[in-house]
Amino acid sequence: QQQVKQSPQSLIVQKGGIPIINCAYENTAFDYFPWYQQFPGKGPALLIAIRPDVSEKKEGRFTISFNKSAKQFSLHIMDSQPGDSATYFCAATVSSNTGKLIFGQGTTLQVKP
Amino acid sequence: ETGVTQSPTHLIKTRGQQVTLRCSSQSGHNTVSWYQQALGQGPQFIFQYYREEENGRGNFPPRFSGLQFPNYSSELNVNALELDDSALYLCASGDRGRGYTFGSGTRLTVV
Repeated sequence: QQQVKQSPQSLIVQKGGIPIINCAYENTAFDYFPWYQQFPGKGPALLIAIRPDVSEKKEGRFTISFNKSAKQFSLHIMDSQPGDSATYFCAATVSSNTGKLIFGQGTTLQVKP
Repeated sequence: ETGVTQSPTHLIKTRGQQVTLRCSSQSGHNTVSWYQQALGQGPQFIFQYYREEENGRGNFPPRFSGLQFPNYSSELNVNALELDDSALYLCASGDRGRGYTFGSGTRLTVV
């Protein structure tokens, strides 16, 4: 019940494409859903986060879509660039303790020039 | 720079040894969490410290222990190292209810 399942494991898109990464959770107590970006040799960096009271959130080229009834959420990267090539992790937790994150398995994204 | 500094960046230890990893958090962040990230996997929550007390623990044995100090620094100690402990160890600091900032991690190799 604590798992967060992420797909796909890897993704290759052309520059300007819109990669979509999907996650599903089971624990209905989760109410904070962040996405992290990780480059090789670095720690994860917070990209964007959403709470279940909204169905969509945009920050720059990054959009989270959230479906509370299906317990699923996804990350869309608009106008993807080669610099977006990285590993992306979704996570879930309770908003009262956002330091205790349950991470998905990660998606390695390659954006080709 | 993220404001969260971890040391050392790389470390090689022998099975059975003990290791201490260090984390210097951003000033004002009263909570630090530690994670283990195996190669090709997402980070796994080890434990969290809030105001110098352990405040939640993941599915890790007691040989994983920690400390948090008043100056916002913290330590992760691992006793009786096993080969499977080889991983990237990450600390993250923040305030509960808000986003956390991760350090770049310590890459531990157990041989």
